[in-house]
Amino acid sequence: EVQLMESGGGLVQRGGSLRLSCAGSGFTFSSYSMNWVRQAPGKGLEWVSYICSSCSEKYYADSVKGRFTISRDNAKNTLYLQMNGLRDEDTAVYYCVRDGATMVRGAPVRFFQHWGQGTLVTVSS
Amino acid sequence: DIQMTQSPSSLSASVGDRVTITCRARQSISTFLNWYQQKPGEAPKLLIYAASTLESGVPSRFSGSGSGTDFTLTISSLQPEDSATYYCQQSYNTAYTFGQGTKLEI
Repeated sequence: EVQLMESGGGLVQRGGSLRLSCAGSGFTFSSYSMNWVRQAPGKGLEWVSYICSSCSEKYYADSVKGRFTISRDNAKNTLYLQMNGLRDEDTAVYYCVRDGATMVRGAPVRFFQHWGQGTLVTVSS
Repeated sequence: DIQMTQSPSSLSASVGDRVTITCRARQSISTFLNWYQQKPGEAPKLLIYAASTLESGVPSRFSGSGSGTDFTLTISSLQPEDSATYYCQQSYNTAYTFGQGTKLEI
């Protein structure tokens, strides 16, 4: 069974830093691309960042570019999100998400196949 | 970024009803469209990917269709456990974006 367990959330002051971790189990972690997706209280879903299985490709939402850094340690089956310069609008539940993919007419269609339970980050002044 | 717009934002229906939720992309995204279900206090769950492929374990009353800019999620015969918020999401490019969600009450 695929399991994703986030940790590292909590209360942080505006402008502060926090590092989230996500431990994966029940699958070959090093073979899958991973993402962070967040959800502000009472709001919808927002994709935050993507990292490919080998770490060579990384992408970020414009709202976090230059402040957040995604990384992974395949030897430890762990995904990270380093968050610096935190703002009020970064307050959210952060989900660790494993990619799925299928081929449609020769092109890969990616989707968010497995989700962790999330960790809450609260930015306060 | 590709804007995704869902309609309606909320709806109320009864057990056994057929329900359709629409998702529209600002530009053509072929069939790079996925649907998720989220119940209160839970993480989202993948329902359908590539516009029409049912994820393993998802009941067959859920179906998806569409391509280009217009997509639909249909629940053929509503069950009480289908009460949730539903999101569409495009994976046409890596600036993944979601629709704003459709809250379904039963």
